[in-house]
Amino acid sequence: GESVGLHLPTLSVQEGDNSIINCAYSNSASDYFIWYKQESGKGPQFIIDIRSNMDKRQGQRVTVLLNKTVKHLSLQIAATQPGDSAVYFCAESADSNYQLIWGAGTKLIIKP
Amino acid sequence: KAGVTQTPRYLIKTRGQQVTLSCSPISGHRSVSWYQQTPGQGLQFLFEYFSETQRNKGNFPGRFSGRQFSNSRSEMNVSTLELGDSALYLCASSLDQIGELFFGEGSRLTVL
Repeated sequence: GESVGLHLPTLSVQEGDNSIINCAYSNSASDYFIWYKQESGKGPQFIIDIRSNMDKRQGQRVTVLLNKTVKHLSLQIAATQPGDSAVYFCAESADSNYQLIWGAGTKLIIKP
Repeated sequence: KAGVTQTPRYLIKTRGQQVTLSCSPISGHRSVSWYQQTPGQGLQFLFEYFSETQRNKGNFPGRFSGRQFSNSRSEMNVSTLELGDSALYLCASSLDQIGELFFGEGSRLTVL
């Protein structure tokens, strides 16, 4: 029979364009946020993190933006490449328990 | 520096059996976390160990247990396996509670 499962949100981007992956969080007490990338058949890999005392942080080709007012987090990838194809997860935690709460993930597909 | 190593990579069990999964963290990392990943539920936190002590625990039944040894290696055990336990079990290590997690490639468990 047909299986019912989580249908990941999917973002298709042309190679060379910028990608923006969004994440909404629910806990206003969360003060640490992190993005991971998971390629097929591999474990998640750290991309970038940000603390709540910042609203922007840049890495190599990636930028994370945090809007605490609307509890929104985004990951921007500049000049998207085929190797960026993966599922991207955001996660949040509050210092009180350090436990990471993970989002459902977004699948990024790169069109040639 | 060797990454996080998980064994076995793949295994098949039948309902009612039990299974033990092993995780060797990155040298020097004292925190080990375990996650269950399924298409239907995403990444779900199981538990976290630090210096042989369980510091955090997710919302899983008592059939799921773990431990950490003095060399920081960790094992998790699932008893009385159910079909719904079929998943990718990921282990992650870190220097401490907060910050970058380094994931292994996971142990894919299939319960028949």
